[in-house]
Amino acid sequence: KNEVEQSPQNLTAQEGEFITINCSYSVGISALHWLQQHPGGGIVSLFMLSSGKKKHGRLIATINIQEKHSSLHITASHPRDSAVYICAAANAGGTSYGKLTFGQGTILTVHP
Amino acid sequence: DAGITQSPRHKVTETGTPVTLRCHQTENHRYMYWYRQDPGHGLRLIHYSYGVKDTDKGEVSDGYSVSRSKTEDFLLTLESATSSQTSVYFCATALSGEGTDTQYFGPGTRLTVL
Repeated sequence: KNEVEQSPQNLTAQEGEFITINCSYSVGISALHWLQQHPGGGIVSLFMLSSGKKKHGRLIATINIQEKHSSLHITASHPRDSAVYICAAANAGGTSYGKLTFGQGTILTVHP
Repeated sequence: DAGITQSPRHKVTETGTPVTLRCHQTENHRYMYWYRQDPGHGLRLIHYSYGVKDTDKGEVSDGYSVSRSKTEDFLLTLESATSSQTSVYFCATALSGEGTDTQYFGPGTRLTVL
């Protein structure tokens, strides 16, 4: 079973700051997903990574397969970025049926 | 976004009563998942389905059963609800079931078992 650890668990920032959230996993994966959960509860997918780096607007996600580590960066943070950010690992090999193992989430609060 | 609805959105019930939660999708996705989300545990997989009438257990399946009689509906049943099943339940769907596939989440159902 893959173990997925996120850090920090809570993060408070001032508007405009650069933010990094980290995710480590214990076994080989086929993909690493980053999700966002708004205070209202809805969960949306931000990124799927199997290697390298992806960018969408002010969000950047990177993955280092050898080190079993991924990071989510937010540049020029804004109060509307306040949410829970969740990483999830899809195990490699076999028939996984798309099952994911989730980290506990990072609660981000950005103050104006 | 995939059209995924969950019903009911909120439910309060008493210990020992049966409860059924419904997930409905309009995207014709083959794979469907039920998760529960609890403080300190994150999202955990209860059951999943890889086709009509094809289901299997996830990591926290005890006390839950599921059924999928048609592509668009995935039902989660708590046969005899317990207070430990108080949680927020999310349904998700995916097209291919590959690890690289995006999962689309429903809005969640908040269940309280008294």
